[in-house]
Amino acid sequence: DAKTTQPTSMDCAEGRAANLPCNHSTISGNEYVYWYRQIHSQGPQYIIHGLKNNETNEMASLIITEDRKSSTLILPHATLRDTAVYYCIVRVAGAQKLVFGQGTRLTINP
Amino acid sequence: DAGVTQSPTHLIKTRGQHVTLRCSPISGHKSVSWYQQVLGQGPQFIFQYYEKEERGRGNFPDRFSARQFPNYSSELNVNALLLGDSALYLCASSPTGQVYGYTFGSGTRLTVV
Repeated sequence: DAKTTQPTSMDCAEGRAANLPCNHSTISGNEYVYWYRQIHSQGPQYIIHGLKNNETNEMASLIITEDRKSSTLILPHATLRDTAVYYCIVRVAGAQKLVFGQGTRLTINP
Repeated sequence: DAGVTQSPTHLIKTRGQHVTLRCSPISGHKSVSWYQQVLGQGPQFIFQYYEKEERGRGNFPDRFSARQFPNYSSELNVNALLLGDSALYLCASSPTGQVYGYTFGSGTRLTVV
């Protein structure tokens, strides 16, 4: 399993874009980048995933570098409800389990 | 549509006791996976079941066991509880057992005293 590296914590002002980085320099060609978040005392929530192209959905955008060794999750207009631990996970398409690291604790400040 | 439901939401057990946690997957999902999340850490994979068969097992002792029923619901059993088993136990369901489509429940908070 490719290893990911994320900052331990980040702060962002409400209404601004939150940019969460993730390094995955050992990623293989068939591994996807997944992002989940976990709000306090709840189960992890799927946000977005991608292989090599940038992806966008109603929650966030995922920017993957051309060499695929790093990615950035962007929450375009952060709200207080986006305060959570964000996990970047690298997995092959047919993987049967997720391997979570420590994640980034994102705090949105009013 | 109901999401993944887990019961109970909280429980307290004494060291040495046995506990059973339950999970009902999203309708139509045939796979259930169990994760343990100790305070301050990310979730750790325990088991996956698909079509009532065990398809994967994490690095947990034999005190941990699980099963999946014909209606695809699942139970996680832990025997001879230790203080270190105190954690949030998460269940995730998916249509085919692959991580794409994973949906987690809110978990069962187990405290061992």
